[in-house]
Amino acid sequence: GQQVMQIPQYQHVQEGEDFTTYCNSSTTLSNIQWYKQRPGGHPVFLIQLVKSGEVKKQKRLTFQFGEAKKNSSLHITATQTTDVGTYFCALADRGSTLGRLYFGRGTQLTVWP
Amino acid sequence: DGGITQSPKYLFRKEGQNVTLSCEQNLNHDAMYWYRQDPGQGLRLIYYSQIVNDFQKGDIAEGYSVSREKKESFPLTVTSAQKNPTAFYLCASSITGVNTEAFFGQGTRLTVV
Repeated sequence: GQQVMQIPQYQHVQEGEDFTTYCNSSTTLSNIQWYKQRPGGHPVFLIQLVKSGEVKKQKRLTFQFGEAKKNSSLHITATQTTDVGTYFCALADRGSTLGRLYFGRGTQLTVWP
Repeated sequence: DGGITQSPKYLFRKEGQNVTLSCEQNLNHDAMYWYRQDPGQGLRLIYYSQIVNDFQKGDIAEGYSVSREKKESFPLTVTSAQKNPTAFYLCASSITGVNTEAFFGQGTRLTVV
């Protein structure tokens, strides 16, 4: 199956600092999705990127899809304590119409007040 | 309200016993999935199903079984053959297709003692 590498595994920041997590694949991706899981919660869909070089923003969150469609990043500007959680990237199985997702290991973000 | 429901939220079982985790959705989704999550790990796919009466093994199916007798329901049985069953189990559903997001249930935390 497809694999996606996500780094870093952990990130501790002080409130107000920026945060970035990266996903990398050795193969070209058809799309990439990002999910957030709050502590004790379940993953919740944030966004999907499909086009090469695509950039999407959601308030303080900026999502990018690489030009070669092999990597993606999620950047949070001026983190807040509400940003705490684990952020996962996920990519769809290109060889299937089912839409099964391969998840990265996630980046666990801790924000100190 | 439409959604995906997992029960129970916490489950304790003695070693050697089979246990069944419930997953129900009223989103009219064709595809359903079971993931396992361990600390520091991403989401690993156990089983998935695209249509009623059909399901496929994921990456870590050994020691698990599923059924899909109804579109709305996709129960997971953790058998005594699963060597390390203590984990957080997440059920998800989606419409079929490559560019579709997954909706997750609240999860079941299984502890085997």
